[in-house]
Amino acid sequence: DTAVSQTPKYLVTQMGNDKSIKCEQNLGHDTMYWYKQDSKKFLKIMFSYNNKELIINETVPNRFSPKSPDKAHLNLHINSLELGDSAVYFCASSQRLAGFYNEQFFGPGTRLTVL
Amino acid sequence: AQKVTQAQTEISVVEKEDVTLDCVYETRDTTYYLFWYKQPPSGELVFLIRRNSFDEQNEISGRYSWNFQKSTSSFNFTITASQVVDSAVYFCALSEADRGSTLGRLYFGRGTQLTVWP
Repeated sequence: DTAVSQTPKYLVTQMGNDKSIKCEQNLGHDTMYWYKQDSKKFLKIMFSYNNKELIINETVPNRFSPKSPDKAHLNLHINSLELGDSAVYFCASSQRLAGFYNEQFFGPGTRLTVL
Repeated sequence: AQKVTQAQTEISVVEKEDVTLDCVYETRDTTYYLFWYKQPPSGELVFLIRRNSFDEQNEISGRYSWNFQKSTSSFNFTITASQVVDSAVYFCALSEADRGSTLGRLYFGRGTQLTVWP
């Protein structure tokens, strides 16, 4: 059974379009994240939600909007896509415990290509 | 300044060689966690290990071993008798105590691409 799943796995779209990526985890974790991995493999955190509350909001264009309908889901909506948005987007989840967040488990990634 | 430095961007070895991937971290916290993740060519990120800052014991899991040295702020990863399937990008990461400015984020190094040739 998949622990952290993302859809779609691949997303090819034109500049200016709006798209969404969905993420679901069945690990019972209370915290979820979005990361962006660029072509040089650098992993950068974008957002984090703990119990549906936004707790990390990195310097990301406001064209990116996360939404967490419940603890098990964290979606990412991107408006007016630009060429520079092309990357692999990873969703992850972890459990907060005694002042720390345990290891993060990652989804398979969504490869976004903007033409 | 980077909190996690993986100075080796690429390493190539031949099968059955031992290889060590270096990781140096920077933090002012006394309590923190260190992690290693593997990203094979298929692209997923696989959790390998978590180490608490209070536990400096080395860890061994099969052909994998980790050497944590607080004195040098290093958390190195050794693969013994490497295999082609070990070819991947390996990331070291740091997590600091939960407070307003950090909130559980993982600080990743830039990764080391390991290629194991048959």
